[in-house]
Amino acid sequence: EVQLVESGGGLVQPGGSLRLSCAASGFTFRSFSMNWVRQAPGKGLEWVANIKEDGSEKYYVDSVRGRFTISRDNAKNSLFLQMNSLRAEDTAVYYCARWGRSGWDPVRDGAFDIWGQGTLVTVSS
Amino acid sequence: DIQMTQSPSSLSASVGDRVTITCRASQRISGYLNWYQQKPGKAPKLLIYGASSLQRGVPSRFSGSGSGTDFTLTISSLQPEDFATYYCQHSYSLPQTFGGGTKVEIK
Repeated sequence: EVQLVESGGGLVQPGGSLRLSCAASGFTFRSFSMNWVRQAPGKGLEWVANIKEDGSEKYYVDSVRGRFTISRDNAKNSLFLQMNSLRAEDTAVYYCARWGRSGWDPVRDGAFDIWGQGTLVTVSS
Repeated sequence: DIQMTQSPSSLSASVGDRVTITCRASQRISGYLNWYQQKPGKAPKLLIYGASSLQRGVPSRFSGSGSGTDFTLTISSLQPEDFATYYCQHSYSLPQTFGGGTKVEIK
């Protein structure tokens, strides 16, 4: 079964740090670009970060650039999100999501086709 | 950044109704538009990719259309399990942004 399982969420004070993990199974992890997508309580979805198949390229939404770092370990089928200098507005459920390619353009032709169950990050004093 | 605007933000419908949700992009995005369904407390689920391609395993009552700036998700005959929130998302450029969502409720 194709599966993504996040862990590492919790309560952290403003300015603190947290490291999220996502364990992948059931597919060839190293062949897929991976993402983090978050959802604040009662709000919509926001893409946070992307990492290419081999980890050579990484992209971030402006609001987290310089504070969050996405990484992966293909040998261990794992995706990570290191979150530093956390703010109240970072409070959200964080999902890891696989980018499933559907055409010749690796960036545009595709969608988030597999999602984890999410892990809640709460930033509060 | 490209802004995605969904309408309506919510709607009430009955089982068997035909439901249409629209998504408008702030600039042309060709056909790089995906649709997701999310139920309370659950992760989103991919329904439609590339504006009109049905994801494997998704019932054929779901369909998508559009290109450029205007897109539509249609549920041909609403079923009880379809009551959920639906999001559009573009993949034309980074950051990939989502629409605000459309909540489909039971009338």
